[in-house]
Amino acid sequence: NAGVTQTPKFQVLKTGQSMTLQCAQDMNHEYMSWYRQDPGMGLRLIHYSVGAGITDQGEVPNGYNVSRSTTEDFPLRLLSAAPSQTSVYFCASNPAGPNTEAFFGQGTRLTVV
Amino acid sequence: DAKTTQPNSMESNEEEPVHLPCNHSTISGTDYIHWYRQLPSQGPEYVIHGLTSNVNNRMASLAIAEDRKSSTLILHRATLRDAAVYYCILSHFLNRDDKIIFGKGTRLHILP
Repeated sequence: NAGVTQTPKFQVLKTGQSMTLQCAQDMNHEYMSWYRQDPGMGLRLIHYSVGAGITDQGEVPNGYNVSRSTTEDFPLRLLSAAPSQTSVYFCASNPAGPNTEAFFGQGTRLTVV
Repeated sequence: DAKTTQPNSMESNEEEPVHLPCNHSTISGTDYIHWYRQLPSQGPEYVIHGLTSNVNNRMASLAIAEDRKSSTLILHRATLRDAAVYYCILSHFLNRDDKIIFGKGTRLHILP
């Protein structure tokens, strides 16, 4: 049982480049979310989804897009990377909404130069 | 969104109990209290959650004040592996669209 899988684990981008951080879960969870964590800080919510076809903004959505075409996948897109987006990104899934246990991936460490 | 307040850091000795406090004075009657922890260089992991009554599981206990304006995560016998950042979070139990908002948490140091 793989749980929540994030790829890649590490990535270096140049300013202005675009990329997609992948997140997949094999637990048939309805609720998925993306967070970023800057050094010495807590996690900040970027976007979340309560089910396939439904997404919504979190605390810090600017500069990021998401889609949820399937239950399993919740990719996070950076359209034009900026140094301020240098961070560790975590994807999480919950079986049935935020009141159920969240399972987190191992994170993607992104550096924008 | 209801907010939580936690101390920035705490220290405890190995093999002793640890009580991690969380204040949530604006909690509503339908908010769940969740605790997660984040070990170094890892994603957060679920610890425990509750609504009104105290809760126990294999990892910890959650003591909820009678007025629900505060709660305490109890690690019964701390080990070095419990050194982590502990987050106290609220979510509305009826609202499946609710956001899960993390604060800065409490960094727990375990002294050998």
